Amino acid sequence: DAGVTQSPTHLIKTRGQHVTLRCSPISGHKSVSWYQQVLGQGPQFIFQYYEKEERGRGNFPDRFSARQFPNYSSELNVNALLLGDSALYLCASSGTSGRGSYNEQFFGPGTRLTVL
Amino acid sequence: GEDVEQSLFLSVREGDSSVINCTYTDSSSTYLYWYKQEPGAGLQLLTYIFSNMDMKQDQRLTVLLNKKDKHLSLRIADTQTGDSAIYFCAESFNAGNMLTFGGGTRLMVKP
Repeated sequence: DAGVTQSPTHLIKTRGQHVTLRCSPISGHKSVSWYQQVLGQGPQFIFQYYEKEERGRGNFPDRFSARQFPNYSSELNVNALLLGDSALYLCASSGTSGRGSYNEQFFGPGTRLTVL
Repeated sequence: GEDVEQSLFLSVREGDSSVINCTYTDSSSTYLYWYKQEPGAGLQLLTYIFSNMDMKQDQRLTVLLNKKDKHLSLRIADTQTGDSAIYFCAESFNAGNMLTFGGGTRLMVKP
């Protein structure tokens, strides 16, 4: 069965541009979370969405935004990119149906964003 | 505030046991997780434990939780070269809620 999928795999942008990252959760999962992982560090929580509503937000500036669609897929948008936004962006899903339980967050392979 | 800490590096020989340690500061944590990350990949959920448990065993993996000292450990029995990766512990207050991760422990398994 398909796990969490993310697109694109890699992305190169320049400072000041904006970027949209996409995530499709495991079938049956209604919750999607986004994390930023800077090289050499653990992931940091950015957003959580459940049933299209924002359930949590981490300590990130307003340049970061996200949304969840009726099919439970999600987009993460980052405006006015800075060099420090270079990172691996991870999406995770969880749910009460499909794979695992709501206690378990399953991660996608991530999108590697490089800002030049 | 929340803080999860791990040692940076662990080296073991193939066939030995590995013990990866983690400390957390927030006693409100309800769920504690271990994830594995191989180079260039996402995170793989290995196991998790509820805060009302002391131990959980899953095949070669044993998780021990000391709530008094806010200490979590992951023991890998009969460590193999394929176990070489970065291991992250993480805490959460509610099911499915945001995860707070440690900085990761790089496990190197020597043949």
